[in-house]
Amino acid sequence: DIVLTQSPATLSVTPGESVSLSCRASQGISTSIHWYQQKSNESPRLLIKYASQSISGIPSRFSGSGSGTDFTLSINRVESEDFSVYYCQQSYSLPLTFGSGTKLEIK
Amino acid sequence: EVQVLESGGGLVQPGNSLKLSCATSGFTFSTAWMYWYRQFPEKRLEWVARIKAKSNNYATDYTESVKGRFTISRDDSKSSIYLQMNNLKEEDTAIYYCAWVGAWGQGASVTVSS
Repeated sequence: DIVLTQSPATLSVTPGESVSLSCRASQGISTSIHWYQQKSNESPRLLIKYASQSISGIPSRFSGSGSGTDFTLSINRVESEDFSVYYCQQSYSLPLTFGSGTKLEIK
Repeated sequence: EVQVLESGGGLVQPGNSLKLSCATSGFTFSTAWMYWYRQFPEKRLEWVARIKAKSNNYATDYTESVKGRFTISRDDSKSSIYLQMNNLKEEDTAIYYCAWVGAWGQGASVTVSS
């Protein structure tokens, strides 16, 4: 199984700061990585697909990059509504797997 | 607008069965590959099952821990998928989500406890 390691587990930031969240795969997965945001008591929402492809309706401050084993989700100027948990998921091979998440919290 | 709505969750005893349903709208269901995921109480996310479209012979795949116990199926005439869960175990306790691509439902809570 492909293991996805997200870091850091928790990121404390001030609104207006820009941040980068990391997701590292245990083997090369091309660009088959997707990023989700999950707010409390809500279902995950897709932010970025295939490493860097934008999703309709998602604010442009969210962007993704990377290929192979190292991937990054960037948030330009974090807003109050962005404080939540972020997960990466790979669709390169079965079983589909998720990272353990990065919690973005207010400093 | 894409809509995905799960139903059928509940509290069951270990060894019993439960069937989840997922009704969808807003996209071409007949060609869609559909998924079930679950989120455990500690918030870990896990893929459960996948069913492909008719053109792929409705092929199915499962995560190892549910093989032989869970069955995913679909009814294209109703734009719906199902998850038949048999011989449930306490470790199956989770919120179960139905999904198409990046569109997830609100989830159905399944609790397995005596």
